[in-house]
Parts: sequence; C-alpha cells; structure tokens
Amino acid sequence: GAGVSQSPSNKVTEKGKDVELRCDPISGHTALYWYRQRLGQGLEFLIYFQGNSAPDKSGLPSDRFSAERTGESVSTLTIQRTQQEDSAVYLCASSPQPSGSPQYFGPGTRLTVL
Amino acid sequence: SQQGEEDPQALSIQEGENATMNCSYKTSINNLQWYRQNSGRGLVHLILIRSNEREKHSGRLRVTLDTSKKSSSLLITASRAADTASYFCATDAPDTGRRALTFGSGTRLQVQP
Repeated sequence: GAGVSQSPSNKVTEKGKDVELRCDPISGHTALYWYRQRLGQGLEFLIYFQGNSAPDKSGLPSDRFSAERTGESVSTLTIQRTQQEDSAVYLCASSPQPSGSPQYFGPGTRLTVL
Repeated sequence: SQQGEEDPQALSIQEGENATMNCSYKTSINNLQWYRQNSGRGLVHLILIRSNEREKHSGRLRVTLDTSKKSSSLLITASRAADTASYFCATDAPDTGRRALTFGSGTRLQVQP
C-alpha cells in the first residue's frame, strides 16, 4: 500500500499567518507522530497520537502549536501566528504499534516563514 | 548531551571503505533504531536492535549494542556513493512513559566515488 503522505511539500508564509500541515498515515497504523527538524539538526518530538487515547503533547514548543487526528487516519498540525523560528521541516511518521516497532516517515513539509 | 548522540558528526570516506558511526544514550531502553535520511526529507528505517540483543546484521549493515556502556554502533561495509546520507540513531524511553523516539543529531556520511 501507499506510504505516509504529507501536504503541502513546501509552504512559504508570512510572519503572523496561520498554517495547517496535513499527514495521511499508513492505513491500519494506530500510532502517529509529528516531529520538527531544523536545518542540519536532529528531530524534535512534537506530539504523539495512539488510537483513542489522549495525545502526548509534551513536545509542543508553545501554545501556538496544536494538532488533531481523526480516529486512526488523517492528522493536521496547526501553527498559529507563525514566527521565523518556526521555519523547519515538519515530519510525520506512523507505526503499527505504539512502541517497539519502526516508524514510517512521510517526505515532510518544508515550512519557511518570511 | 542529549539522548541518542551520534559520533562523528560528519564522516567522509572513499567508495569501498567501511563506515562506522557511533551512538550514545543516557536512559534505559527497550530498543534502539537506526534511520537514514537523504536531502533533509523523510527518514527511512534501517534496523532495530532490542536491548537483549548484542549484534544484528542486515545486508551490508551491522549494528552492535552495548547496554552496559549505553552505546551502539552502525557499520556500513563496502560503502557506495549511494550510501551518502545522514544517519540517525533513535531510542525509546520506557522509564519515562514517552512513546515517541528520541533522535540524535545525526552523522553526515559522504562517500566519495
């Protein structure tokens, strides 16, 4: 089947605007993760969804960041009032189990805040 | 340093040589994974080693895990130009309750043809 898909692949926005990033996980994968990767750096965990459990939001850097997931399907990451430091690649991953299994990554959304 | 720190940060070798990357971590783990990333986009899972395993092979990849030293190594044998990428280790953290993986900052591997 298809892998994890993300849209848009690139997003350029002006400081102060809101953006919404989308992730379509692999069908049947119960766990979904959002990460942020700044240029030349590793991945920062943002938020984790597992089935109908309350999401783990401990990685969200500020209250401008929020995410939702509909059941075990699509997830959207919303960044309000974007700042230049929000510029990064936002990566989504899904896995069939909550832990102990590989994560399958989407191609990412490159966000540039001018 | 953070959980999952790779060493070296950058490595340049000739095609045909072996490449060794190391990863250190701080807390107890259930498993450690290695991922590869091309051009700053999506990561691809390479190999997973569990805490009760010491060595694992997959094709030209060999991973070792030393839980007493909280370290792992990734060996790529007979490297090819196509192996040029960034390589990340990632660990779980069962004692913290966090389900997401913690990634290191990566090793940038350049294989010269």
